[in-house]
Amino acid sequence: DTGVSQNPRHKITKRGQNVTFRCDPISEHNRLYWYRQTLGQGPEFLTYFQNEAQLEKSRLLSDRFSAERPKGSFSTLEIQRTEQGDSAMYLCASSYGTIYEQYFGPGTRLTVT
Amino acid sequence: AQTVTQSQPEMSVQEAETVTLSCTYDTSESNYYLFWYKQPPSRQMILVIRQEAYKQQNATENRFSVNFQKAAKSFSLKISDSQLGDTAMYFCAFVPFGNEKLTFGTGTRLTIIP
Repeated sequence: DTGVSQNPRHKITKRGQNVTFRCDPISEHNRLYWYRQTLGQGPEFLTYFQNEAQLEKSRLLSDRFSAERPKGSFSTLEIQRTEQGDSAMYLCASSYGTIYEQYFGPGTRLTVT
Repeated sequence: AQTVTQSQPEMSVQEAETVTLSCTYDTSESNYYLFWYKQPPSRQMILVIRQEAYKQQNATENRFSVNFQKAAKSFSLKISDSQLGDTAMYFCAFVPFGNEKLTFGTGTRLTIIP
């Protein structure tokens, strides 16, 4: 069990470009979550998967954001036509069963210039 | 909608002292979980302790304990014998039963002074 991993750890992109982040959950964790954390704030929920099904999406997740979890394993979060307001830390977490404890990855820090 | 409030943006204490971080929350739910997460500088978030709302006994994990007051909707974290490695941002979080979305407070930056 190596924990939740996220790649890349840092991403700098120009406004208008598309970016994709990857999250690998703890093996056998069937639930996977994406959060966004801006400076000085706590993480805010973006979306959640149970296995391969995306069960909930926050209003924060505009049409430019899309997340997938093919085959219920790793997940990707894509942001199209990035804006400066998208600059943040994107956190992934996973959990299993009904324990409600979410285990977080190290995050991907996105900077949009 | 649930809200979580952490009214202490920053705190600092001397090593080996005891410190208490405050958290209040607002919800109409009767069954829920509360958590304290620790986020060290440039490192990932780690679960410190959790409390089930239906349990009257306060949770403890080694040097970490909580004071859960359900009626007052208060959930404070006490760190005893503080260590330099306790320096971090601490987030209080809430999730109702049957929901998967954690709601976090804005955090308290705790610095342990040698």
